[in-house]
Amino acid sequence: AQTVTQSQPEMSVQEAETVTLSCTYDTSESDYYLFWYKQPPSRQMILVIRQEAYKQQNATENRFSVNFQKAAKSFSLKISDSQLGDAAMYFCAYRSAFLAGTASKLTFGTGTRLQVTL
Amino acid sequence: GAGVSQSPSNKVTEKGKDVELRCDPISGHTALYWYRQSLGQGLEFLIYFQGNSAPDKSGLPSDRFSAERTGGSVSTLTIQRTQQEDSAVYLCASSFAPGPLDQPQHFGDGTRLSIL
Repeated sequence: AQTVTQSQPEMSVQEAETVTLSCTYDTSESDYYLFWYKQPPSRQMILVIRQEAYKQQNATENRFSVNFQKAAKSFSLKISDSQLGDAAMYFCAYRSAFLAGTASKLTFGTGTRLQVTL
Repeated sequence: GAGVSQSPSNKVTEKGKDVELRCDPISGHTALYWYRQSLGQGLEFLIYFQGNSAPDKSGLPSDRFSAERTGGSVSTLTIQRTQQEDSAVYLCASSFAPGPLDQPQHFGDGTRLSIL
């Protein structure tokens, strides 16, 4: 079974600064997807960024980028030029790329609460 | 509607009562997922529907939990004889059918269930 570990329960960053959230995972599969989701107080899970394991190039979405180290099974999220609206819980998640019925679910880490200060 | 809709938004009930939680997925999404988020925890997978069938129900924690989906659309998660440990936020997500390309899951706002 796959597991996802987020070792930072809370992080804090000053507005306009850069912060990196850590995530490691364990799998025996070679093909999979990794995600970062943001959960504001509204509870809705919002997809921030996605990485396909077969792609060596790190994904980037505006101020959000990842550092994907497949051999180390590490998938960190970097938020540049942090904004007050970035304050939320951030969850790292894994999904198998196989199409079997049991493979579609997301496996989540326990989350990192990000505070953004002035 | 434009997004995944869940109802009720909040539900408070007494221990031992049955509850039903509803999820209305995005139109056209054939895949539907239920997750549970306990306080301070990440999301825990419960069940996955493709159309009206459930190829993966491995996350249902006990036989008190059941779910169904009708017409390939609305899904209901039922918890019988609720216990205090059932208190959590129940999130529903939907997507197009899994295929060669990843189909992102779109989440609703969840139902916060509190068992007294």
